[in-house]
Amino acid sequence: DTGVSQDPRHKITKRGQNVTFRCDPISEHNRLYWYRQTLGQGPEFLTYFQNEAQLEKSRLLSDRFSAERPKGSFSTLEIQRTEQGDSAMYLCASSLGDRAYEQYFGPGTRLTVT
Amino acid sequence: AQRVTQPEKLLSVFKGAPVELKCNYSYSGSPELFWYVQYSRQRLQLLLRHISRESIKGFTADLNKGETSFHLKKPFAQEEDSAMYYCALRSGTSYGKLTFGQGTILTVHP
Repeated sequence: DTGVSQDPRHKITKRGQNVTFRCDPISEHNRLYWYRQTLGQGPEFLTYFQNEAQLEKSRLLSDRFSAERPKGSFSTLEIQRTEQGDSAMYLCASSLGDRAYEQYFGPGTRLTVT
Repeated sequence: AQRVTQPEKLLSVFKGAPVELKCNYSYSGSPELFWYVQYSRQRLQLLLRHISRESIKGFTADLNKGETSFHLKKPFAQEEDSAMYYCALRSGTSYGKLTFGQGTILTVHP
C-alpha cells in the first residue's frame, strides 16, 4: 500500500498521559496536514507542513499539542497531559505542491482518553 | 472566517431516484469548493472540485456564488453511492487547508 499510513490505528490512554502519533505521507508529497474529527463532525484543521516547515497552526492546537516533521518525510503529533476532550479521530493527509487541492488521507488514529 | 454548512445529516433515496446533497458556505473571498467522500471502511477521498467542472461517478456540482452554495447532484442514484459526503472549502490564502462541513450520510435503498 503506497498511500498515507498512520500509526497506531487505535490508542487508549488515561487522562494525564502523553501520546504520540505518527504519519507517513505518500513519498513524493511535500505537504502534510493534520486534522481532528469528533463524532458527528467533519474533519477540523490542526496544522500544516510544507517539507519540514510548519507553516500554519489552528487555534485548536493548544500548548499541549506539538507536531513535527523533522526531515520533511514522516510527521509526529504529540499530545501532552491528555484530557477527555482530546478523544477523537486524528487524520493525516498529504498532497503534492501543485496539486495541493487533492489531499490524500490516511486511515486515522482513534484516540480514547479514559 | 470561513464556514461550510451541510444542513442534512442523513439523506435516504431509492435506487434510480435523483439525489441532491446540499452545501452552503460563507467566505468573503473567492473560495475553492470540493466534495470529499468516505465509503464504508475506506478513507476520505476527493470526489470532485468546482474548478474542474467535471462529472465524477455521475455526480456534478455547480458553484453558485450568489447563493453561496455548492450542491452535489446525481440524476440516478446507485446503491454504491451510499457513503458519507463532505463539502469542503479552501481559501486562496490558506496553503491548502480545508474547512469541512459536518457531512451528510447518503443511503441509497434498492
